[in-house]
Amino acid sequence: GENVEQHPSTLSVQEGDSAVIKCTYSDSASNYFPWYKQELGKRPQLIIDIRSNVGEKKDQRIAVTLNKTAKHFSLHITETQPEDSAVYFCAARRNSGYALNFGKGTSLLVTP
Amino acid sequence: KAGVTQTPRYLIKTRGQQVTLSCSPISGHRSVSWYQQTPGQGLQFLFEYFSETQRNKGNFPGRFSGRQFSNSRSEMNVSTLELGDSALYLCASSDAGLETQYFGPGTRLLVL
Repeated sequence: GENVEQHPSTLSVQEGDSAVIKCTYSDSASNYFPWYKQELGKRPQLIIDIRSNVGEKKDQRIAVTLNKTAKHFSLHITETQPEDSAVYFCAARRNSGYALNFGKGTSLLVTP
Repeated sequence: KAGVTQTPRYLIKTRGQQVTLSCSPISGHRSVSWYQQTPGQGLQFLFEYFSETQRNKGNFPGRFSGRQFSNSRSEMNVSTLELGDSALYLCASSDAGLETQYFGPGTRLLVL
């Protein structure tokens, strides 16, 4: 089945710096790649997603890039703020249905 | 629309017991997926239901089962509980034709 690997597992940046989280997937048939943010004690919330027919997508300070050939995708957060501190999960849609395979998460800490 | 809801929110059981968790999707959503979240393994896919049919299943033992009702509400059952089943169980719903999964708040299960 699909395997999603995510790096790094922890990331600490200073406020205003950029943060980059990288994921790789194994199933070349995967065509949908969402990113979720989970704050402590809360449910995962979708922050951005990308489909396999697009190479890059941006939403204000957040961007995602996808390299289908290399089977990896990345989340970029610019001008980080303390409220960006959370666990971020990448995911790839499974080969059927809407369910997802998730990476193990990146704990991002933004220090003032 | 109201979001995804899960009941109960917290549950304490002892080894060998069984438990049933409930998930009500967003109105109109026909797909419900279940995930187990633990600190070490992240979010792991359990199963997905669509229009009362299981169409996708993760790598969990047969003690984990589920079902979906005609109103799209879903239940998952874990029999013969083990200590390692202690986790946050999340469900997520999707609208047919759209890939975005919306998560519920989860049920935190503690097995003693």
